[in-house]
Amino acid sequence: ILNVEQSPQSLHVQEGDSTNFTCSFPSSNFYALHWYRWETAKSPEALFVMTLNGDEKKKGRISATLNTKEGYSYLYIKGSQPEDSATYLCAPDAGGTSYGKLTFGQGTILTVHP
Amino acid sequence: NAGVTQTPKFQVLKTGQSMTLQCAQDMNHEYMSWYRQDPGMGLRLIHYSVGAGITDQGEVPNGYNVSRSTTEDFPLRLLSAAPSQTSVYFCASSLGAGGYTFGSGTRLTVV
Repeated sequence: ILNVEQSPQSLHVQEGDSTNFTCSFPSSNFYALHWYRWETAKSPEALFVMTLNGDEKKKGRISATLNTKEGYSYLYIKGSQPEDSATYLCAPDAGGTSYGKLTFGQGTILTVHP
Repeated sequence: NAGVTQTPKFQVLKTGQSMTLQCAQDMNHEYMSWYRQDPGMGLRLIHYSVGAGITDQGEVPNGYNVSRSTTEDFPLRLLSAAPSQTSVYFCASSLGAGGYTFGSGTRLTVV
C-alpha cells in the first residue's frame, strides 16, 4: 500500500483567487500520477494522468506539475470559480505488476465562495 | 455509449445476506476496479482486473469476491454481509494509459 498524502485537507477561497495544493507519494516504484476531481453527489472525474518528471498538463484554468524524483505533484487553479468547488484526489500508479492499481490520497476539499 | 453502469444504486441488506453488485462498461476497457468510500478513509481499492480471466486483490479484499468472465462485466460479490461493509461502492474502468472512468456508485447499508 503506497503512502499518499495530500495537503491541505481543506481550503476555502474567494471567487477569483488562485490556489494550489500538493500530492506527495513515494518516488520509488513510480509509473504515473493521476488527478481526479470529485463533486458532491457525483463520481470522480479524471483530470490528468502524468508520467514524466517535469511534466506539466493544463485543462482550462487547471494545471498540474510533476516531480518524480522527489515524489510530489502540484495542482493549480487560476481564478477559482464556485463551480471549481470539489474534492481533488491524487493517485499514484506504481506500475510493474501493480500497473493500473491506484492508491488514492484522502483528497483536498476546495470550497470557492462567491 | 453508456460508460460505466453500476446496479443497484441503493441496497439494504441484513447481516449475513449475500449479494452481487453489478458493474458493466461498454468502452472495451481492459482495466476494471472496485473501490469503497468511507468517511475519513478516502477511496480504497477492493479488487481489480487487468483483463478477462485475470483479477487481483487490492487493499481491502476480505469479505468480497470478484470474477471477470468478459471484458465488459466485473461483478463484486459480498459473501456474508457485515455492518462493516456499509459503504459507497464505486466501479471504475480504464484503457490503461488514461484515467479511470467511474460509475455512479452503489450505496450499501448492512443492518
